[in-house]
Amino acid sequence: DGGITQSPKYLFRKEGQNVTLSCEQNLNHDAMYWYRQDPGQGLRLIYYSQIVNDFQKGDIAEGYSVSREKKESFPLTVTSAQKNPTAFYLCASRKIAGGPSEQYFGPGTRLTVT
Amino acid sequence: AQSVTQPDIHITVSEGASLELRCNYSYGATPYLFWYVQSPGQGLQLLLKYFSGDTLVQGIKGFEAEFKRSQSSFNLRKPSVHWSDAAEYFCAVGAEAGKSTFGDGTTLTVKP
Repeated sequence: DGGITQSPKYLFRKEGQNVTLSCEQNLNHDAMYWYRQDPGQGLRLIYYSQIVNDFQKGDIAEGYSVSREKKESFPLTVTSAQKNPTAFYLCASRKIAGGPSEQYFGPGTRLTVT
Repeated sequence: AQSVTQPDIHITVSEGASLELRCNYSYGATPYLFWYVQSPGQGLQLLLKYFSGDTLVQGIKGFEAEFKRSQSSFNLRKPSVHWSDAAEYFCAVGAEAGKSTFGDGTTLTVKP
């Protein structure tokens, strides 16, 4: 089955530690996205990438970093510079060729930092 | 800049009753519009989308939405709600560059 995998489902870290969230897709999509979701605030875009080895900042990129070394993978690192890292993180992908298309979402990772 | 407003934070309906969730967007060109549904602790699932053509679009699970350019709206409807429809619903507007903007969501509660 094609889809998006995010691991782990739950992640716990101490304040001051960097943590990396995994996102893998086997849909052969070109574009991948990271969103942060907080209660009552909908989804906010952190970073996105439309091609390997290239990515752009979204609306709330401060304190986060990404890489796109392979088409299938788009890991997100939450650094110690992120002031409020506890949140639900969603990864998505989208086909670019052939006109407009929807995003496909992974199951999410809930990060708790104490 | 594109934006989406979902005026209703929380809606409660009785099982079997009809449902309408409101969505208003702001976008300079012809918008690409989406409705997604999210169950607690899960990712988002696409219900339906509008790119062009017929302004009434049908989706999965018996949902439909109507694009009204004059009102900048894309309201989601279902004639008869089931208890399993209880979830959070997100409206989104997308652009050619691939970035989508999401509303803050509407939480649907279904009374037995």
